[in-house]
Amino acid sequence: DAGITQSPRHKVTETGTPVTLRCHQTENHRYMYWYRQDPGHGLRLIHYSYGVKDTDKGEVSDGYSVSRSKTEDFLLTLESATSSQTSVYFCAISGLPGNTIYFGEGSWLTVV
Amino acid sequence: QKEVEQDPGPLSVPEGAIVSLNCTYSNSAFQYFMWYRQYSRKGPELLMYTYSSGNKEDGRFTAQVDKSSKYISLFIRDSQPSDSATYLCAMSRSGGSNYKLTFGKGTLLTVNP
Repeated sequence: DAGITQSPRHKVTETGTPVTLRCHQTENHRYMYWYRQDPGHGLRLIHYSYGVKDTDKGEVSDGYSVSRSKTEDFLLTLESATSSQTSVYFCAISGLPGNTIYFGEGSWLTVV
Repeated sequence: QKEVEQDPGPLSVPEGAIVSLNCTYSNSAFQYFMWYRQYSRKGPELLMYTYSSGNKEDGRFTAQVDKSSKYISLFIRDSQPSDSATYLCAMSRSGGSNYKLTFGKGTLLTVNP
């Protein structure tokens, strides 16, 4: 298994509260990604990073922000959680461009 | 037209059958093609990885890419109950700082003993 750890793995939070999901890798890979997966939509890219402090938006970035201050950590923040952000979130990593992308085990988030 | 189309199934086959899973795509710039397997409540795991056109075989699994038709396939021979999962195709343009994957929505496969 690729050395990817997501935390927390499960979280229930209330609408309007901030939430931060953490992705930690031990592979020293340059690229890190946050995806969400929903029935009927599949995997959709939220944000990605191509280096420390280098991030860019994916296709569903509204309501989310990210930060990467160290190679090994990529944080996803929901500034004010909404029920539409109830989902399972996957972190992924990749080395060089064109290399394979490996996924973490997921973080299940429920916003009530 | 969506960039990547994948029949969601579900697909149910008897043990030992040959399974064919497919995706079509519209963007001719895609060069890297992957198949992921995802068990229930788990993260996707890479199954096959192919660059450009051609075939690749790994044990019971064969991946095919036909760039002229914008069509990729995954074949599973002698399917086993342990192959029951959702299979996701994924593809990407060439590298660079904007390297990222575009996924199909996945096909749910059940292999019955």
